[in-house]
Amino acid sequence: EADIYQTPRYLVIGTGKKITLECSQTMGHDKMYWYQQDPGMELHLIHYSYGVNSTEKGDLSSESTVSRIRTEHFPLTLESARPSHTSQYLCASSEGGGRPEQFFGPGTRLTVL
Amino acid sequence: RKEVEQDPGPFNVPEGATVAFNCTYSNSASQSFFWYRQDCRKEPKLLMSVYSSGNEDGRFTAQLNRASQYISLLIRDSKLSDSATYLCVVNKGYSTLTFGKGTMLLVSP
Repeated sequence: EADIYQTPRYLVIGTGKKITLECSQTMGHDKMYWYQQDPGMELHLIHYSYGVNSTEKGDLSSESTVSRIRTEHFPLTLESARPSHTSQYLCASSEGGGRPEQFFGPGTRLTVL
Repeated sequence: RKEVEQDPGPFNVPEGATVAFNCTYSNSASQSFFWYRQDCRKEPKLLMSVYSSGNEDGRFTAQLNRASQYISLLIRDSKLSDSATYLCVVNKGYSTLTFGKGTMLLVSP
């Protein structure tokens, strides 16, 4: 079973607020990912990291930013939340190399009013 | 053509039935494939990995046809607890994955 954690699980916040979604994993995985998923829709990759100090943008353009200062921690920040940011945000990690399987955290369901 | 295509369903089957889902992918260079299960409003969970022609785990069998670029998932003896959305996933390379929209399965008593 994967050991990957996300907080908060649910967040309701007003427009214009700055928010940080936390993601941590205890498996020592080098690779970490952030996905966005709307109800009934597919997952879209918004950010990923190959290791400490590495961050890349994913397939879906996002106004969020990420950082990777420690292997186990990959937070996502929105400087000014808008209603269009309302979605589920899923964090994942993988061992990489010959094992690309990704393991997901429980997600953060974000609602921006 | 979408990178990964799946029939969204829903597939409605009775308990005990055998059901199969297909998935097609566009990148012929893809080397590894996965099936994930996602329950409503939950995170995806890895069900099976497919690195060669196929894989079997209990009631679940995945098969890969590289020539036709499709992957299938067969579920035998369906249980009520199998009701979920099944995501077909393709490795794009460099450990990034492309997820299909999923196929919904509803197993009824």
